Amino acid sequence: EDQVTQSPEALRLQEGESSSLNCSYTVSGLRGLFWYRQDPGKGPEFLFTLYSAGEEKEKERLKATLTKKESFLHITAPKPEDSATYLCAVRGDNFNKFYFGSGTKLNVKP
Amino acid sequence: NAGVTQTPKFQVLKTGQSMTLQCAQDMNHEYMSWYRQDPGMGLRLIHYSVGAGITDQGEVPNGYNVSRSTTEDFPLRLLSAAPSQTSVYFCASSYSGSDIQYFGAGTRLSVL
Repeated sequence: EDQVTQSPEALRLQEGESSSLNCSYTVSGLRGLFWYRQDPGKGPEFLFTLYSAGEEKEKERLKATLTKKESFLHITAPKPEDSATYLCAVRGDNFNKFYFGSGTKLNVKP
Repeated sequence: NAGVTQTPKFQVLKTGQSMTLQCAQDMNHEYMSWYRQDPGMGLRLIHYSVGAGITDQGEVPNGYNVSRSTTEDFPLRLLSAAPSQTSVYFCASSYSGSDIQYFGAGTRLSVL
């Protein structure tokens, strides 16, 4: 069964304090691992797609990496505006089905 | 740019009532989907559609019906609401095979 587990559930950082969020997955035939950002009261917003182990993507202070079993979202020198819930999702053999994790709620204090 | 529009934003139902959650997109996307989001459980796929006239079940389809008569609209129907359907519902759309799903702002539903 395709499954995604994210940790930690919540993370509190001081502004400038770098850290990483984890996404562990099991999927039959990975056809993409996705990271989304969700602000309170809004729908998720796409950040990255990763396809194969060793792949990395960057956007501003965020860098996503992928291994055969997990993905990390590294946040370098975060700012308060990076506070949000970060969701991880996978797509497997059924190309039309996406499986999401429960998210990591990030709070960056000034 | 409207993107994905969901209505209503909030709804309170009594057990056994029926209602339709509306979702419309103006990007000519073939793929549309419905998710529910519950605390600690993340987003779970309810139903999806790859084009007008084509729908399929997701992870948690029981208690929900969908149809897709146009490219733009993908309504979600609750025929007999139950308290277990209290949740936040999100609609999403994308080009067929695309990585990027565009989400609406959500409908917060309470079933009493």
